[in-house]
This record gives sequence, C-alpha cells and structure tokens, in this order.
Amino acid sequence: GAGVSQSPRYKVTKRGQDVALRCDPISGHVSLYWYRQALGQGPEFLTYFNYEAQQDKSGLPNDRFSAERPEGSISTLTIQRTEQRDSAMYRCASSLVGGGTDTQYFGPGTRLTVL
Amino acid sequence: GQQVMQIPQYQHVQEGEDFTTYCNSSTTLSNIQWYKQRPGGHPVFLIQLVKSGEVKKQKRLTFQFGEAKKNSSLHITATQTTDVGTYFCCTGGGNKLTFGTGTQLKVEL
Repeated sequence: GAGVSQSPRYKVTKRGQDVALRCDPISGHVSLYWYRQALGQGPEFLTYFNYEAQQDKSGLPNDRFSAERPEGSISTLTIQRTEQRDSAMYRCASSLVGGGTDTQYFGPGTRLTVL
Repeated sequence: GQQVMQIPQYQHVQEGEDFTTYCNSSTTLSNIQWYKQRPGGHPVFLIQLVKSGEVKKQKRLTFQFGEAKKNSSLHITATQTTDVGTYFCCTGGGNKLTFGTGTQLKVEL
C-alpha cells in the first residue's frame, strides 16, 4: 500500500503566523512519530503517539509546538507564532506496533521556511 | 539521553572502492539501526542489530555491532553510484530514535 504521506510538501510563512503540518501514516500503523531535521543533520525526535494517545512529547522545543492525533490515524503538528529558527524539514514516521525497536517508516517531509 | 557520534562526516570515493562509516556511543546501546537517506529523499530503514558482536550482511553491505554494544560500523564493498547518500546510525529507546550525525557518501565515476 501507500507509504507515509505528508502535506504540504513545502510551506513558506511569515514570522508570527501559525502553521499546521499534516501526516497520514501507513494504514494500520499504531505508532506515529514527529521529527525535525535540520540541513546536514539527522532527524531529531519531537513527539510520539500510540493510537490517539500522545505518549512522549519531550522533544517539543517549547509550548508553541503541539501535536494531536484525535482518531488514531492522521496527525497534525501545529506551530504557533512561528519564528525563523523554526525553519527546517519536519518529518513524520509510523511503525506497526512501536516499542523502540520496531521499524519506523518515514514520510517525504514538509519543508517549512519562516521568513 | 543516549547520543551516538558518527565518523567520518563526509567521504568521497571512486566507484569500486570500499567505504566504511563508524558509529560510537559512550553508553551501552540496546540496539543499533541504520538508515540511508538519498539526496532530497527521506530516511529509509536498512537494518537493526541487537546482539553483542552481531554481524549482518545485505549484498555488498556489512553491518557490525561491537562486543560491548557501544559501537557499530557499516561497510560497503565496491561502491556504486547508487550508494550515494547519507548513512545514519541511530538507537531506539522508549519509542524514539536518536540519530547520529550521519556520513555523507559521494561516489565518483
């Protein structure tokens, strides 16, 4: 079936605006993860869901960042009052059952640019 | 939290040469996973190692997990242009992956 999809693929916004990034995981995958990847770096963990429950949000940089997965499928990462330092590639991944050693499948990412 | 360091940061090789990237941690790791990210692409899972001293092979790729479970290596024999990309090691704990800094491989004809 289809892999992880993310939308939009590119988002340009002005400083101070709110943005919502969407992730559609692989059908049937229980766990969903959000990462942020700076240019030339590896992905950095932001938050993680099992079904609709947010299990770990320790990687969210500050309270301007939030995420939800209300029906245990599609997830939205929201950044309020964006700042230039928020510019990065935001990646979503999903795995079948989670557990730390389960294979995570990454989506194509959303490239966020804050002007 | 756990951190993993990778060396080298960049590697240029001629097609047909071998390539090795190393991943090191100051703490014992429960597992090591390797991902490959092509230019402009997303990380793609290659393999997972969990046992001390484990060695796994995928065609021209050989993955090793150190005896002390603090280091790992990925070796590519006779590189091809299709091997171009950034190779990341990472470790999973508590459902989040901690990625290394990656090794960017360029292969020249």
